[in-house]
Amino acid sequence: GEDVEQSLFLSVREGDSSVINCTYTDSSSTYLYWYKQEPGAGLQLLTYIFSNMDMKQDQRLTVLLNKKDKHLSLRIADTQTGDSAIYFCAERSLIPDSWGKFQFGAGTQVVVTP
Amino acid sequence: NAGVTQTPKFRVLKTGQSMTLLCAQDMNHEYMYWYRQDPGMGLRLIHYSVGEGTTAKGEVPDGYNVSRLKKQNFLLGLESAAPSQTSVYFCASSPQGSYGYTFGSGTRLTVV
Repeated sequence: GEDVEQSLFLSVREGDSSVINCTYTDSSSTYLYWYKQEPGAGLQLLTYIFSNMDMKQDQRLTVLLNKKDKHLSLRIADTQTGDSAIYFCAERSLIPDSWGKFQFGAGTQVVVTP
Repeated sequence: NAGVTQTPKFRVLKTGQSMTLLCAQDMNHEYMYWYRQDPGMGLRLIHYSVGEGTTAKGEVPDGYNVSRLKKQNFLLGLESAAPSQTSVYFCASSPQGSYGYTFGSGTRLTVV
């Protein structure tokens, strides 16, 4: 099974906040990422957080990390129709032989309705 | 800057045919990766390279081969395509020690 798990679908009304959740299993120091994929496109890095941080905010995006529960969330404030996409959670271990490899979740399809 | 460029963008193959997917990056990145994306399964690592002339197996390497003869290019080969290889293939690159990947826009491959 996957080491990174996400719910597969989220529906949200335009203007509301979206919260996308993710759990991970790597217990070593790691970076945790959120990527956005729009239809027919590659993955775009939204934000990332190091595992010794609790929170990171970047404009409408807030990342919260609960290290004890290995739980990561992405909150999008004032969700817009342009936020409709698949959002991937990913972790990247810093152990020397990991060679920068990511472990991705299956992705959460976010649909924003008017 | 083009970033990461994948060619072709679309391809249909018959079972048993071979093909090569090309990934080119112009950012002088050390690390390059090939992933496949399938519905409900996220991205799975096929092969990766940590420098020119080096390659290594990822999570799902069977049926694929790779080469990194030049630092800027990472080729993914399918010697005898199978319907199970129908997928969207993404290439990514990163500098050594970087915090994130730069992804290509993907190649949609259908094997009939």
